[in-house]
Amino acid sequence: GIQVEQSPPDLILQEGANSTLRCNFSDSVNNLQWFHQNPWGQLINLFYIPSGTKQNGRLSATTVATERYSLLYISSSQTTDSGVYFCAVEPGMNTGFQKLVFGTGTRLLVSP
Amino acid sequence: DTEVTQTPKHLVMGMTNKKSLKCEQHMGHRAMYWYKQKAKKPPELMFVYSYEKLSINESVPSRFSPECPNSSLLNLHLHALQPEDSALYLCASSPRDGSSYEQYFGPGTRLTVT
Repeated sequence: GIQVEQSPPDLILQEGANSTLRCNFSDSVNNLQWFHQNPWGQLINLFYIPSGTKQNGRLSATTVATERYSLLYISSSQTTDSGVYFCAVEPGMNTGFQKLVFGTGTRLLVSP
Repeated sequence: DTEVTQTPKHLVMGMTNKKSLKCEQHMGHRAMYWYKQKAKKPPELMFVYSYEKLSINESVPSRFSPECPNSSLLNLHLHALQPEDSALYLCASSPRDGSSYEQYFGPGTRLTVT
């Protein structure tokens, strides 16, 4: 099956710093989503980005599907950004039932 | 509104108990999903329902029994679970009308099997 690797696995930032999270996938994908999982377990939708670039406030994301990677940029980080960031992909050979395969995750801690 | 609700938030059950997890959405989505997430691991797909029919079962043991009584509700019936089934169980939904394939997740049920 498709492999989805994220880097770095762990990241510690001072408040106000910028960071880039990477998601590499081993095969073609139909769709890609970025999530933030807060300490209570809730998965919060950040971006639905099968290709191209999107921005939402301090966050932006870019997916280059032909090169099989996606990047999530966090600028001016805040303590509330702490948590685990997952990318999730729908494999390209899927039957169409939108099976999401999650990446390995990046655990982010933003300190004051 | 992009809300998926799940009840209960927490559940502790013995290995001989029968319990059910409930998931509800009112976004008109026609695909619903169950995922299981062990501690410090990513979520893993268990089941997919499309138009109230079971479309994908990822080789889940029969002690987990899904049910989709209508387009807004998804249940997961639990029976004779093992301690290793302790995990966060997440429900999700997505449109099936071609407008988008984005999945939206509920807050999860944290299950402990004793």
